[in-house]
Amino acid sequence: SAVISQKPSRDICQRGTSLTIQCQVDSQVTMMFWYRQQPGQSLTLIATANQGSEATYESGFVIDKFPISRPNLTFSTLTVSNMSPEDSSIYLCSVASGVAGYEQYFGPGTRLTVT
Amino acid sequence: AQSVSQHNHHVILSEAASLELGCNYSYGGTVNLFWYVQYPGQHLQLLLKYFSEDPLVKGIKGFEAEFIKSKFSFNLRKPSVQWSDTAEYFCAVSGYNKLIFGAGTRLAVHP
Repeated sequence: SAVISQKPSRDICQRGTSLTIQCQVDSQVTMMFWYRQQPGQSLTLIATANQGSEATYESGFVIDKFPISRPNLTFSTLTVSNMSPEDSSIYLCSVASGVAGYEQYFGPGTRLTVT
Repeated sequence: AQSVSQHNHHVILSEAASLELGCNYSYGGTVNLFWYVQYPGQHLQLLLKYFSEDPLVKGIKGFEAEFIKSKFSFNLRKPSVQWSDTAEYFCAVSGYNKLIFGAGTRLAVHP
């Protein structure tokens, strides 16, 4: 399985500001994903990021709020823009692996608190 | 629409007790099913996966899960839990190149 790192591991931000989260993988992968895990809740997919194309966002998530970059096959960033306290969550990146590409392996997450 | 339902939100067991966590899914196509585990302070890890082979799937740390197509279920089992199994467990179904997660079950195992 791939080794995934995220930066920062946690941050406390003021409302109205933006934070960019980095995700680095130790091998080349086609599909990367960004999830949100709100306190006490399950994981919700924000978007799928494929290298060389625009990210595909899930219902309820928009590019202006969560712009994503995918400059190469080992790296992606997620920006949380114009933050509000409701954005306080753990943000996780994952990569698809396995024969069918359906298995996903997750990074350690970025714990974001917005005050 | 795809969905995953986990029936138990919190489970408390004593060590050596048997465990079964329920998971039901809704998906019209060929399913790939997963159980993930998140130990306290650690990141999400893949526990086991079902990819259309033997319906009884064995995973790490003595866990297993049984896929019952007629019941749309993929329940997680362990015959004897340990204190170190204290964690949150997530069932997930894969379709259209994405994972849909259930709400999770928090398991607490008391010595």
